[in-house]
Amino acid sequence: EVQLVQSGAEVKEPGESLKISCKGSGYSFTSYWIGWVRQMPGKGLEWMGIIYPGDSDTRYSPSFQGQVTISADKSINTAYLQWSSLKASDSAMYYCARQDGSDWHDAFDIWGQGTLVTVSS
Amino acid sequence: DVVMAQSPLSLPVTLGQPASISCRSSQSLVHSDGNTYLNWFQQRPGQSPRRLIYKVSNRDSGVPDRFSGSGSGTDFTLKISRVEAEDVGVYYCMQGTHWPPAFGQGTKVEIK
Repeated sequence: EVQLVQSGAEVKEPGESLKISCKGSGYSFTSYWIGWVRQMPGKGLEWMGIIYPGDSDTRYSPSFQGQVTISADKSINTAYLQWSSLKASDSAMYYCARQDGSDWHDAFDIWGQGTLVTVSS
Repeated sequence: DVVMAQSPLSLPVTLGQPASISCRSSQSLVHSDGNTYLNWFQQRPGQSPRRLIYKVSNRDSGVPDRFSGSGSGTDFTLKISRVEAEDVGVYYCMQGTHWPPAFGQGTKVEIK
């Protein structure tokens, strides 16, 4: 079964760093782009960026460029989303998803269960 | 950036009746490779999004045939032929033709 399993919920204070993960299984992890999507409380979906684990080619939406870092470790089939200094406005549900196809045009066909990040003092 | 505008944002429907959601893009979504990268996702309450339709009208495996997608250029539609209780949730269109990819605001479907 093709699936993406994300790390558990996090509660952090402003200014702290954080790295959440997304582990793929049941398919060739290095052959599909993995993306991240933000959903703030009660709001819609926002496309953040994608990474191709095969060569670590990474693309960011301009809205998120410089705000987060996307990475991947192909040896353990895992993609990451990280922050160096969290803000309260980073509180949201974050989904990873697999891009269906060989380039960024294709839509996400497999989604993780989501990781809830809460940033509060 | 391409802006995706959905309407209506809220859609109360009667069980067994049809429903239709519109999605309009600020630029044509026809790519130079001939494909139109317009997709539809369903997000049921408390769940992750799920893709229903890709490239305008291709239904994903396991998606009931009461869901259909149509449209071209800048105007697209998701139709549910007969709404069932399990269809309650928020529906999003998403374009992948132009960088950066973008979602619409979402349409909340609820039962009257």
